[in-house]
Amino acid sequence: HLHLQESGPGLVKPSETLSLTCTVSGGSINSSAYFWGWVRQPPGKGLEWMGSMSYTGSTYYNPSVKSRVTTSLDASKNQFSLKLTSVTAADTAVYYCARAQSLANAPALIDYWGQGTLVTVSS
Amino acid sequence: SYVLTQPPSLSVAPGQTATISCGGDNIASKSVHWSQRKPGQAPVLVLYHDTDRPSGIPDRFSGSNSGNTATLTISRVEAGDEADYYCQVWESEHHYVVFGGGTKLTVL
Repeated sequence: HLHLQESGPGLVKPSETLSLTCTVSGGSINSSAYFWGWVRQPPGKGLEWMGSMSYTGSTYYNPSVKSRVTTSLDASKNQFSLKLTSVTAADTAVYYCARAQSLANAPALIDYWGQGTLVTVSS
Repeated sequence: SYVLTQPPSLSVAPGQTATISCGGDNIASKSVHWSQRKPGQAPVLVLYHDTDRPSGIPDRFSGSNSGNTATLTISRVEAGDEADYYCQVWESEHHYVVFGGGTKLTVL
């Protein structure tokens, strides 16, 4: 059974870079059948997809964060990561890592999620 | 941008049927997927491609998609179904994932 677990600092200062890692167990990330990405939920708001990346290098990002987001995969550790630069209080959210099935080479179906981790942006 | 609209909340008595809608422009032309999130737990996919259930999801969960509305139906609602439910589509023209705002299902 696939399991995803987020890790990273729970507190980030404004203007700094938010960095999170997702460790995958029960399956391998080095498959072209899937995308690996991130979804967040600010307090009191809905889910917002941030972006997804495949092992083959295909990437898709939400235009709202595209200029500040970088994702990467480390197959040797079966992990993938998120970096979000120049954070503000508006980036305070529960961040979920997630797997999406690749359909027509797009992350069209999110089928597994991590439990989520709260990241607060505050000085 | 493509918008999916869900009712914020729904209350249903045990044993009754819960119907959660997800509205979007010509949503019938897209595949709709539904996830369930209980407090403190990872979200779980309960329906995909409008009507398909992942293994382990009871057949009390069903779906439909027509016109401008997709629907998740939970029959014979149980206390354990109390959760937030989110619809999701892939917006293929501009290449991004869209979520509905979520519906909080309360079992009375």
